[in-house]
Amino acid sequence: GENVEQHPSTLSVQEGDSAVIKCTYSDSASNYFPWYKQELGKRPQLIIDIRSNVGEKKDQRIAVTLNKTAKHFSLHITETQPEDSAVYFCAAIPNTGFQKLVFGTGTRLLVSP
Amino acid sequence: NAGVTQTPKFQVLKTGQSMTLQCAQDMNHEYMSWYRQDPGMGLRLIHYSVGAGITDQGEVPNGYNVSRSTTEDFPLRLLSAAPSQTSVYFCASSYSGEMNTEAFFGQGTRLTVV
Repeated sequence: GENVEQHPSTLSVQEGDSAVIKCTYSDSASNYFPWYKQELGKRPQLIIDIRSNVGEKKDQRIAVTLNKTAKHFSLHITETQPEDSAVYFCAAIPNTGFQKLVFGTGTRLLVSP
Repeated sequence: NAGVTQTPKFQVLKTGQSMTLQCAQDMNHEYMSWYRQDPGMGLRLIHYSVGAGITDQGEVPNGYNVSRSTTEDFPLRLLSAAPSQTSVYFCASSYSGEMNTEAFFGQGTRLTVV
């Protein structure tokens, strides 16, 4: 089955810096890669996703890149703000007809003013 | 549109007790699932359903039962609670189109088994 590894487990940056979180996956059949943000005590919420037929996707300060050959994908946050502080999870889904999300172990991002 | 609603938000059980975590969605999603979240382990799939009357096991199904009698509801039953089931439980639902789409999560149930 699919296995997703995520690094780093914690990331501290100064406000205005960029942050990069990296994930690798094992199943070459995976074709959908969402990123979820979870604030303390809250539910995970989708912030961006990418499909396997696309190499990069941007949404304002957030971007995701996908390298299918190397089986890794990354989340890039530019001009970080204190409200970006949260735990971020990557996930991968093989095209099995159901969204059996396989999550990474999470990255705790702390943005200091 | 309430989205995905879970009850209760907090629960303390004694070892051996049973209980049901409730999950309801009002988005007419066919796909529903239950995850547990433990520190340092991300979210892991317990059970899932692709429609009313159809359920299947996920990665960590032992000790849990599910049923899906309606599109809206997907309860999770703990048969005989154990301390290892102390966790935060999230229910999620998603659209069942040809392409994978966003999973919407409930607000979670924090369960402590003593």
